[in-house]
Amino acid sequence: GAVVSQHPSRVICKSGTSVKIECRSLDFQATTMFWYRQFPKKSLMLMATSNEGSKATYEQGVEKDKFLINHASLTLSTLTVTSAHPEDSSFYICSASRQGLYEQYFGPGTRLTVT
Amino acid sequence: DQQVKQNSPSLSVQEGRISILNCDYTNSMFDYFLWYKKYPAEGPTFLISISSIKDKNEDGRFTVFLNKSAKHLSLHIVPSQPGDSAVYFCAASGGNTGKLIFGQGTTLQVKP
Repeated sequence: GAVVSQHPSRVICKSGTSVKIECRSLDFQATTMFWYRQFPKKSLMLMATSNEGSKATYEQGVEKDKFLINHASLTLSTLTVTSAHPEDSSFYICSASRQGLYEQYFGPGTRLTVT
Repeated sequence: DQQVKQNSPSLSVQEGRISILNCDYTNSMFDYFLWYKKYPAEGPTFLISISSIKDKNEDGRFTVFLNKSAKHLSLHIVPSQPGDSAVYFCAASGGNTGKLIFGQGTTLQVKP
């Protein structure tokens, strides 16, 4: 159990366009989902925490108008990178956790390249 | 301010021997600790965790030790296998936020 999927696995887009990344918990209900970003050879940087049905909580320094997060159901959260620029190119990873549990289960990640 | 630190960026071990990965933290509010394994271009995979009320948790070849007074935890893998070669992240959580704070990761290479 505890399988999390992400779609797409990789995406290339032009500067100025928007990209949506989906994160789904396949076999459990995720009360909380997290979005991370990983730079090459760096640790995972938490971008935001989203609880189903409420607004996401963004970490300091993360632009909420640029990285739109929607957590419409207990199995789906989406991250939309708006007006993408080359510096937004990165590896984006989501995770999901069950209510009351610390363990987070991660998706396989999405490689975003902005040209 | 790095609240969770993995000071060894890499570790090389011979197959069959013990791998010991270390992690230090600074925030005394952390009450739950986790280890994740990660391959390139993939998401982290949960390995093992430990609550602050314990000092040891074992699962097969993996054992995590917690020394609260030293704010230090370690992951022991024995015997090490070539398939264990990956990046290992420790993470800490506390304060009921559910958020995990990750260390920088240690790249483990197990040589046949």
